[in-house]
Amino acid sequence: EAGVAQSPRYKIIEKRQSVAFWCNPISGHATLYWYQQILGQGPKLLIQFQNNGVVDDSQLPKDRFSAERLKGVDSTLKIQPAKLEDSAVYLCASSKERDTPPWDTIYFGEGSWLTVV
Amino acid sequence: AQSVTQLGSHVSVSEGALVLLRCNYSSSVPPYLFWYVQYPNQGLQLLLKYTSAATLVKGINGFEAEFKKSETSFHLTKPSAHMSDAAEYFCAVSGKGSQGNLIFGKGTKLSVKP
Repeated sequence: EAGVAQSPRYKIIEKRQSVAFWCNPISGHATLYWYQQILGQGPKLLIQFQNNGVVDDSQLPKDRFSAERLKGVDSTLKIQPAKLEDSAVYLCASSKERDTPPWDTIYFGEGSWLTVV
Repeated sequence: AQSVTQLGSHVSVSEGALVLLRCNYSSSVPPYLFWYVQYPNQGLQLLLKYTSAATLVKGINGFEAEFKKSETSFHLTKPSAHMSDAAEYFCAVSGKGSQGNLIFGKGTKLSVKP
């Protein structure tokens, strides 16, 4: 079974530039997440999709971050304009339906490493 | 609100020694608890999860964890460390009303000395 695919793996941009990350979840997984992992910290949820609808985006800095999941499969996370503090690993993850506990396992991609200079 | 606290940002053990990584949780609802491992430059991989069945949970690679409600703890252990266990370990909590989202601790980096 193919895992969660992410691209690009590494990106270096200057502050105020824009960047986009792409994610392809495991086939058949209805739920997709974007997490931000800053060096030395645990991952923090940015946005959670169920199919192509947003379940939780309460921690997404909406003035600069946006995400979409067209057709309920692939997803794109965009940052515009980037700030120095956006330097982090952006992890995409997916799982089956998340309606009731016990929760299905969340599978993570290898991450997209962003450095803002 | 739910949260987890991992005690010790860095733990070092000798090969063959006991591994103990500590995690305490806070939750106003019955929690579901997870341990994930992250190898360098890789994503997170699930080690084990507690979902209110048995309190002693066995995971992959010889790891296990015990849920102790009275101590609000979910410590991760392995009887004998291998060099390949060197990685960062994250404890996470989820619960009813959270839509299944995970809240992670800050992580504990495990080093294994030969």
